[in-house]
Amino acid sequence: AQSVTQLDSHVSVSEGTPVLLRCNYSSSYSPSLFWYVQHPNKGLQLLLKYTSAATLVKGINGFEAEFKKSETSFHLTKPSAHMSDAAEYFCVVSDKDGGSQGNLIFGKGTKLSVKP
Amino acid sequence: NAGVMQNPRHLVRRRGQEARLRCSPMKGHSHVYWYRQLPEEGLKFMVYLQKENIIDESGMPKERFSAEFPKEGPSILRIQQVVRGDSAAYFCASSVQGMNTEAFFGQGTRLTVV
Repeated sequence: AQSVTQLDSHVSVSEGTPVLLRCNYSSSYSPSLFWYVQHPNKGLQLLLKYTSAATLVKGINGFEAEFKKSETSFHLTKPSAHMSDAAEYFCVVSDKDGGSQGNLIFGKGTKLSVKP
Repeated sequence: NAGVMQNPRHLVRRRGQEARLRCSPMKGHSHVYWYRQLPEEGLKFMVYLQKENIIDESGMPKERFSAEFPKEGPSILRIQQVVRGDSAAYFCASSVQGMNTEAFFGQGTRLTVV
């Protein structure tokens, strides 16, 4: 069965410093992996997704994530944090093989705080 | 093109009442998914519907919960005889095809049972 573990429930960084949000997954298939962001009282927005193409995936707002099969990781990074990045971030794995209709398995989320 | 619309945004119900949550998918999307987010938890899959069909309801509680996506109109998540443990945020998502295509989420309905 697929699962996803977000290693930190809270991460705090200073504005202008790098962001690293860690995610490990477990999957029997070739997984599809996603990062979603949820701002307070907002819906979820897709940041980026990996679907077995390039292992380094670039998303919106300067975020990127690297799929590392040997480490079963899909960590989210950004070189320089902005105040508007403060939100909750969810790492997500699709629980069915690519191309079939599956549902998304969410991690518990990482709350990112950005200090001025 | 409006996004996924959920209403109401906030819903308060007394124990034993019924809660009806509505979701209008994005235009052209025929796949709808409902997720529940409990405090301090990630989202948990509940049910996946296409028009007039339930495709996967493996995440739905066996009792009191039901969902439909009629030919016309929004998808409805119905919770009968609500209990305090049903208090959560309920999110709806829609996609053009299955979940390996991009799913767009609504802003959620926050249900509070008092």
